[in-house]
Amino acid sequence: NAGVTQTPKFRVLKTGQSMTLLCAQDMNHEYMYWYRQDPGMGLRLIHYSVGEGTTAKGEVPDGYNVSRLKKQNFLLGLESAAPSQTSVYFCASSTFRDYTIYNEQFFGPGTRLTVL
Amino acid sequence: AQSVTQLDSQVPVFEEAPVELRCNYSSSVSVYLFWYVQYPNQGLQLLLKYLSGSTLVKGINGFEAEFNKSQTSFHLRKPSVHISDTAEYFCAVSVSRGIQGAQKLVFGQGTRLTINP
Repeated sequence: NAGVTQTPKFRVLKTGQSMTLLCAQDMNHEYMYWYRQDPGMGLRLIHYSVGEGTTAKGEVPDGYNVSRLKKQNFLLGLESAAPSQTSVYFCASSTFRDYTIYNEQFFGPGTRLTVL
Repeated sequence: AQSVTQLDSQVPVFEEAPVELRCNYSSSVSVYLFWYVQYPNQGLQLLLKYLSGSTLVKGINGFEAEFNKSQTSFHLRKPSVHISDTAEYFCAVSVSRGIQGAQKLVFGQGTRLTINP
């Protein structure tokens, strides 16, 4: 099993350009998450999904859109990139068994995005 | 809203010395607590977790952490570090749930642990 994979690994954009980051998981997990990691700020949740076609906003959703058309894929889109979106983006996934227990999140290797 | 504070942004330690990475959280309700490790150019890996029960939690690679409810702390310790422990360590809490019970993690700022020979 590959676990959680992210494409691409690195990308440089100019201000105003658009792009889509792809996250794929082969663990049949129901939940998927997008985080951004900035120096001195840890990871912050952008959007998450609880199943195909169902997404929700996290802590820092502005400037991003997401889609979950297939259970194994979770896409993060930047319609008009800004320098403030320079960051490392991590995807994570988790299964769901019970509301009363913790379902561990498994992380991908990250995508390093620079917006000039 | 809950928050997580890692008190040291960088911790340099000599090899085979003990280390403690400090983490405090703010929450008035029961929490789940975690430590994640990020090796250079890699994703995050779960080191250990506290869900309930014993306040001393043992994780991978010889790390352990102690949950202290009265001090709202969850400090990470290792009695003897190795060069291979050089990484960034993140403390995180899970308190709130999103739609359909999705658990939302709140991360601390991270502590960069550097092991010197």
